[in-house]
Amino acid sequence: DVKVTQSSRYLVKRTGEKVFLECVQDMDHENMFWYRQDPGLGLRLIYFSYDVKMKEKGDIPEGYSVSREKKERFSLILESASTNQTSMYLCASEGPNQPQHFGDGTRLSIL
Amino acid sequence: QQQVKQSPQSLIVQKGGISIINCAYENTAFDYFPWYQQFPGKGPALLIAIRPDVSEKKEGRFTISFNKSAKQFSLHIMDSQPGDSATYFCAASYSGAGSYQLTFGKGTKLSVIP
Repeated sequence: DVKVTQSSRYLVKRTGEKVFLECVQDMDHENMFWYRQDPGLGLRLIYFSYDVKMKEKGDIPEGYSVSREKKERFSLILESASTNQTSMYLCASEGPNQPQHFGDGTRLSIL
Repeated sequence: QQQVKQSPQSLIVQKGGISIINCAYENTAFDYFPWYQQFPGKGPALLIAIRPDVSEKKEGRFTISFNKSAKQFSLHIMDSQPGDSATYFCAASYSGAGSYQLTFGKGTKLSVIP
């Protein structure tokens, strides 16, 4: 069974801080994704990666960056956190001809 | 520009009733239409999916109906149970990029009351 693990369930940070959200998958999947989920807006794609050291912008990349140094790990970085980045962040991984599998999310609050 | 429109936003159904959630898409290149189910505190999980070469797919109490000409698809939950209470997301993607890069609807919060 695919397991996507997000390092923190809840996180509280202050405006201006640099924030790292970590995601690890155990199925050797090449594709990994970061979404944010907000009430009434559904899931919106921030960044995705098809391979190590490779990244592509999604629909809302502004204010975010990502890092993929190893195949199993995909990190989302908030360079300078702002209050409008308070949200639920979801990581997903995907193998060939398989659906995306999601982690349980990190609820991030920026004060 | 929202490419997948989902309705209703919320739905209350009596136990044993039929829950129906509708989605419409714009991009005719989409060729994969999954539904995800999300319980509170959990990530979304794939429930059922369909491709445009069939008009209906059934798995247990869950059925997807697909209308290619109308660019619409819907989820039917038969004999709805309180345990079905969750948020449901439809999505669409095309496989041309080598990945199922999903575009999600905004979600429907389903409450099944005893």
